[in-house]
Amino acid sequence: AQSVTQLGSHVSVSEGALVLLRCNYSSSVPPYLFWYVQYPNQGLQLLLKYTSAATLVKGINGFEAEFKKSETSFHLTKPSAHMSDAAEYFCAVTLMVANNDMRFGAGTRLTVKP
Amino acid sequence: NAGVTQTPKFRVLKTGQSMTLLCAQDMNHEYMYWYRQDPGMGLRLIHYSVGEGTTAKGEVPDGYNVSRLKKQNFLLGLESAAPSQTSVYFCASSGYEQYFGPGTRLTVT
Repeated sequence: AQSVTQLGSHVSVSEGALVLLRCNYSSSVPPYLFWYVQYPNQGLQLLLKYTSAATLVKGINGFEAEFKKSETSFHLTKPSAHMSDAAEYFCAVTLMVANNDMRFGAGTRLTVKP
Repeated sequence: NAGVTQTPKFRVLKTGQSMTLLCAQDMNHEYMYWYRQDPGMGLRLIHYSVGEGTTAKGEVPDGYNVSRLKKQNFLLGLESAAPSQTSVYFCASSGYEQYFGPGTRLTVT
């Protein structure tokens, strides 16, 4: 079965610094990959998704992620962190367009220091 | 356009009590899902539905039942609540991507 592993349950960066959140996937067939963000006491909001088109995917709020098949990775980056980026981020993988087999990572909590 | 809504937002149950969580979506999506979120474990799929009148088990279905009598609604039931079911429950619906509700925080004492 497919799965994702998020490296680092907590990441702390200074405002204006690079944000890098790591996600590695395991899948026997080409996957669909997603990054979601969750703000306190809210549901998950889609940041971006990879669906086998361009390997560099741009999302909302200045985030982007690159699909690297050779490294089985889908890391999330943002050049300059903002205080409002503080949240929990989840990587997810599915093999089906209907995504009823979606598997989520354990999450990475991002803290942004002033 | 409210998206995905969930009721109630919070609930406290005693062990053995029952309750139903309601999820509603106004996007005419065929697919709907119930997840639970526990610290350090991400989201895990409880049950899902691929259309009105159909349901299927997900990753962690034990202790839960679901029904999809109307396309826009997906109900999650706990017949006899246990402390292990203390969690935050999220409903989602999807066309090509999943849209999540705001969650229900359930505590079972």
